[in-house]
Amino acid sequence: QVQLVQSGAEVKKPGASVKVSCKASGYTFSGYYIHWVRQAPGQGLEWMAWINPDSGATKYAQRFQGRVTINRDTSISTAYLELSSLRSDDTALYYCARGLSSWYMDYWGQGTLVTVSS
Amino acid sequence: DIQMTQSPSSLSASVGDRVTITCRASQSINSFLNWYQEKPGKAPNLLIYTASSLQSGVPSRFSGSGSGTDFTLTISSVQPDDSATYYCQQSHSNPYNFGQGTRLQIK
Repeated sequence: QVQLVQSGAEVKKPGASVKVSCKASGYTFSGYYIHWVRQAPGQGLEWMAWINPDSGATKYAQRFQGRVTINRDTSISTAYLELSSLRSDDTALYYCARGLSSWYMDYWGQGTLVTVSS
Repeated sequence: DIQMTQSPSSLSASVGDRVTITCRASQSINSFLNWYQEKPGKAPNLLIYTASSLQSGVPSRFSGSGSGTDFTLTISSVQPDDSATYYCQQSHSNPYNFGQGTRLQIK
């Protein structure tokens, strides 16, 4: 069965960076995009970026451009999200999700809580 | 950026009621519209993709319609398990924004 398993919760200080992993199983990793979506406490969903694991092509939401990097290691079917220059308003639950191209996200990871606090 | 506006923000329904949630895009997105259900402490779950296609495993009481800028999610006969927050999302162009969510409470 399709599974996306994310790395554990992180606590970071303002200005630091965080890297979240998303390990896929149960399907051909290179055949589907990986999207990253976040949800601040009590707030709605915010799309951040996607990566095509086959080509390595990426697309980022403009508001994160320059601060976020996504990549993948196809040998271990894992995608990564790195967010730098963390601020308190980056405190959120970060999800990875499998995407049929950019069209929709059909399987989601369990989420990784990133807390930014001094 | 394309803005997505859902209405209502919240609603309350009784078991067996027919419920409709609307989503409006700030410009045409053709049929690039998805609906997700989110329950507390769980990841979102895809219900409807490309406006009207029912995701595998989703009960048939859920349906979606619309194209262009106006879309609806309909639950034909609400069940207790449908208590959740529902989000629309456009996948027409970057950034692939979500609506603000509609919270459905079952009376």
